[in-house]
Amino acid sequence: DAGVTQSPTHLIKTRGQQVTLRCSPKSGHDTVSWYQQALGQGPQFIFQYYEEEERQRGNFPDRFSGHQFPNYSSELNVNALLLGDSALYLCASNWGRADTQYFGPGTRLTVL
Amino acid sequence: AQRVTQPEKLLSVFKGAPVELKCNYSYSGSPELFWYVQYSRQRLQLLLRHISRESIKGFTADLNKGETSFHLKKPFAQEEDSAMYYCALRGASGGSNYKLTFGKGTLLTVNP
Repeated sequence: DAGVTQSPTHLIKTRGQQVTLRCSPKSGHDTVSWYQQALGQGPQFIFQYYEEEERQRGNFPDRFSGHQFPNYSSELNVNALLLGDSALYLCASNWGRADTQYFGPGTRLTVL
Repeated sequence: AQRVTQPEKLLSVFKGAPVELKCNYSYSGSPELFWYVQYSRQRLQLLLRHISRESIKGFTADLNKGETSFHLKKPFAQEEDSAMYYCALRGASGGSNYKLTFGKGTLLTVNP
């Protein structure tokens, strides 16, 4: 089991563009969470998906949206990119409410 | 509000010395507390969670509800302990709060 995988590894976009990041959860996991980690900060919760629905959302604007597919993989979409969206985007997966969240390696997004 | 504070951004100790990484939290309900670690060029991984009450790699952490703290301790630091450490909080099982709230992290350097 490769654990949580994310693609792409790195991405460079310009302001105003849109981006899609992808995540495959660890085998057996049905819940996916997304976090944004700015330089020098801890990860910040964006949202969590379970049974293909957004179960909880953090304090992020509507430009951030997501999706979960029947195979539990997930996408994070960010529209109208701003310079401040430059960050490491982490995906985490778990099974069940009380399970530990396992993190992927992240996607480094740079907005120019 | 749900908040985690790690007062030390950097901590440097010598090999064999005791180490304590501080974590304080603010949460109105019953929290679950975690320590995550990120070694150089590796993904974020769980070090320990308070409900397990186990010692991992010689590290222990006790949840002190009176002082709202969850400090991470190790009696004899090793060079391989050098890493970034994040304290994180989640609402207790049974609630509707699924997100992890992270502190900003403490970079531990163990010198030879």
